[in-house]
Amino acid sequence: DGGITQSPKYLFRKEGQNVTLSCEQNLNHDAMYWYRQDPGQGLRLIYYSQIVNDFQKGDIAEGYSVSREKKESFPLTVTSAQKNPTAFYLCASNPQSSTDTQYFGPGTRLTVL
Amino acid sequence: EDQVTQSPEALRLQEGESSSLNCSYTVSGLRGLFWYRQDPGKGPEFLFTLYSAGEEKEKERLKATLTKKESFLHITAPKPEDSATYLCAVRGSSNTGKLIFGQGTTLQVKP
Repeated sequence: DGGITQSPKYLFRKEGQNVTLSCEQNLNHDAMYWYRQDPGQGLRLIYYSQIVNDFQKGDIAEGYSVSREKKESFPLTVTSAQKNPTAFYLCASNPQSSTDTQYFGPGTRLTVL
Repeated sequence: EDQVTQSPEALRLQEGESSSLNCSYTVSGLRGLFWYRQDPGKGPEFLFTLYSAGEEKEKERLKATLTKKESFLHITAPKPEDSATYLCAVRGSSNTGKLIFGQGTTLQVKP
């Protein structure tokens, strides 16, 4: 089946630890995105990548890092510098960034203990 | 600055009671208005894309319409399984592909 997978579904982290969230897609999409969702707020863009080996900061990139070494994969690292990392993280992709619909993965819920 | 506002924040309907959700937007050079459905603890599920004022799209009990300032998601004779949060997003003229999301409308349909 084609689609976007995110793992793990739930993730717990102690303060001061870095953690990496996985996002994989087999849709052959060029563009990939990471959003953060908090209760009562709309989705906010963290990072995006329009092509392999290139990525740009979104609106709330501080405390996060990404890589795009393969077309299919766009992992997100939540670093200890992120002040309030507890949230629901969503990965999305689309064929090209300018006009196409974005499709979302199932999400990862990160909780900092 | 591109902005999206959805109303109401929450809506409770009886099964069969039709209603509409509103999405007001300001964007420079609209390149698409998107509606998604999101169930608790899951990723958003794509519903519709609208590109120009006057455009309408339908899927089962849902119909989305678009004007130059807002979009409506009309729900006809809703069923309990239509209960979810409905998200609206717009894409502007920048080449980033970035979507600007509203806060969502949480719909509850009671049997």
